Amino acid sequence: AQSVTQLDSQVPVFEEAPVELRCNYSSSVSVYLFWYVQYPNQGLQLLLKYLSGSTLVKGINGFEAEFNKSQTSFHLRKPSVHISDTAEYFCAVSTKTSGSRLTFGEGTQLTVNP
Amino acid sequence: EAGVAQSPRYKIIEKRQSVAFWCNPISGHATLYWYQQILGQGPKLLIQFQNNGVVDDSQLPKDRFSAERLKGVDSTLKIQPAKLEDSAVYLCASSIWGHEQFFGPGTRLTVL
Repeated sequence: AQSVTQLDSQVPVFEEAPVELRCNYSSSVSVYLFWYVQYPNQGLQLLLKYLSGSTLVKGINGFEAEFNKSQTSFHLRKPSVHISDTAEYFCAVSTKTSGSRLTFGEGTQLTVNP
Repeated sequence: EAGVAQSPRYKIIEKRQSVAFWCNPISGHATLYWYQQILGQGPKLLIQFQNNGVVDDSQLPKDRFSAERLKGVDSTLKIQPAKLEDSAVYLCASSIWGHEQFFGPGTRLTVL
């Protein structure tokens, strides 16, 4: 079975500052990794995904993440955040044998202050 | 392309009452998922369908929860009877097998 740990439950930052949201995973088989964003009272929207190939993955809204197999991490980064990036961010993992089934972390609340 | 539709968006019930949620997936998506998201936590998979067959319901509390997907399209999730700890957002998602999941807006259930 796989699991996901998001190391920070809350991350406050100022507008235009860089941000990193940390995610570590555990799995005995090869994984697919995802970051989702959830705005208040909405469903989850996919930011980016790692399936294979280049370990640096670029997503929507200027976000990127790097897959590090040796450290079993998939941290999310953005060089300059906006007020509109305030939301809950979820890291998730699936495997080839799980048929797209996702295991989510507990989430990180990103709050961007003016 | 229309997204995943869910209804109702909000529901308030008393404990021991019954409630049902409806989901209409994206056209052509054979795989459908129901997740439970308790406040402050990540979504947890309750049940996964492939067409109208159940692939995984290992985390579904079968003594009170049931789900069906007739004709391999729409799905309903039912809770009977509800408990206080069932208060959560219930998310429906759909996908083509092995590909990205698309989520609906969710149904927020409050059990009093």
